[in-house]
Amino acid sequence: QKEVEQNSGPLSVPEGAIASLNCTYSDRGSQSFFWYRQYSGKSPELIMSIYSNGDKEDGRFTAQLNKASQYVSLLIRDSQPSDSATYLCAVLERADGLTFGKGTHLIIQP
Amino acid sequence: DGGITQSPKYLFRKEGQNVTLSCEQNLNHDAMYWYRQDPGQGLRLIYYSQIVNDFQKGDIAEGYSVSREKKESFPLTVTSAQKNPTAFYLCASSIEGDRGGNYGYTFGSGTRLTVV
Repeated sequence: QKEVEQNSGPLSVPEGAIASLNCTYSDRGSQSFFWYRQYSGKSPELIMSIYSNGDKEDGRFTAQLNKASQYVSLLIRDSQPSDSATYLCAVLERADGLTFGKGTHLIIQP
Repeated sequence: DGGITQSPKYLFRKEGQNVTLSCEQNLNHDAMYWYRQDPGQGLRLIYYSQIVNDFQKGDIAEGYSVSREKKESFPLTVTSAQKNPTAFYLCASSIEGDRGGNYGYTFGSGTRLTVV
């Protein structure tokens, strides 16, 4: 059974600090990795994708991938209250598409 | 603007009733997916379709049915056989042959189904 694991949280971070979200996956052959943000009652929206080892930066967001450790993370710099949401990690592990983690609930404290 | 439209936004089902959730996309995507999300849970795959007139069961297909007669449309029917249908249902799509690997999925806004 292919799995994507995330700490459910809640993860509480002060405004302006760095939020660090982590995800592990089971399939060593996985090639594509995504982070989605989901506000309460809304659908997920894609915020980052990463395909090779290392860091990928987009504005305040940085995705990090370590295939040897089967680990992917998302860093949010200068956290804002509007970043409070559930963050879903998704990995292309299966022939039928993406496998999603259960998500980490992030709370940014003003 | 291209996107995925799900309707209705809220749906109430009586015991023993079948209901159909609509999903329409104008992104010219070949692959479409249905997920169910329960509180505190991740997305669980119900059905997916990679091409017109073809679809496959996901992890939790029992009590659900789908059709894919047109590229743009992938309706989901929640049958009376689904004993616990109250959940948030999400439709998604991706580019042909990609399985979401290069560009991820685009999601609709969801349908919240409640049994009354």
